[in-house]
Amino acid sequence: DAKTTQPPSMDCAEGRAANLPCNHSTISGNEYVYWYRQIHSQGPQYIIHGLKNNETNEMASLIITEDRKSSTLILPHATLRDTAVYYCIVRVIQGAQKLVFGQGTRLTINP
Amino acid sequence: NAGVTQTPKFRVLKTGQSMTLLCAQDMNHEYMYWYRQDPGMGLRLIHYSVGEGTTAKGEVPDGYNVSRLKKQNFLLGLESAAPSQTSVYFCASRTRDRGSYEQYFGPGTRLTVT
Repeated sequence: DAKTTQPPSMDCAEGRAANLPCNHSTISGNEYVYWYRQIHSQGPQYIIHGLKNNETNEMASLIITEDRKSSTLILPHATLRDTAVYYCIVRVIQGAQKLVFGQGTRLTINP
Repeated sequence: NAGVTQTPKFRVLKTGQSMTLLCAQDMNHEYMYWYRQDPGMGLRLIHYSVGEGTTAKGEVPDGYNVSRLKKQNFLLGLESAAPSQTSVYFCASRTRDRGSYEQYFGPGTRLTVT
């Protein structure tokens, strides 16, 4: 399974776009990029996933580079409720999908 | 729908005691998972199940047993608790349906072993 590298922490001002990077240089052709977040001590929450095209949903946008070795999660208008630990995970989409969580990025949204 | 629920929310055990954590989901999901999260760390997979009556080992299975007798329930057992098993335990579930890719997580069980 491809490993991911994320910065341990980031800060962002409320109302601004939060851009969270993730490196996955050993990603295989059939592996997807998933993003989850964990607010305080709650269970993780799915945000978005993608293979090679950019993706957008009601929560965020996911930008994957053309060589697929890195990606960026974008929260377009961050709010205080977006303060959380964000996990970038690379997995194949078939089968049991055993997620491997690293230490993630602790994003703090400042008022 | 209640989603994924976990029982109990908190528990304190003494070393050597046993207990069972219950995970229940009402979404008719085929896949279910047990993770543990230690302070400052990401989640690690303990055991998982791809369907009723089947279980498999994850990344850190030692000291735990699981059972999936009913599709909606996934039980995690600690036969002889150790202080190293102090952690927050999360259960998750997921459908096998194509086009659905997210795991749904429960609120967690905070376990302390003294």
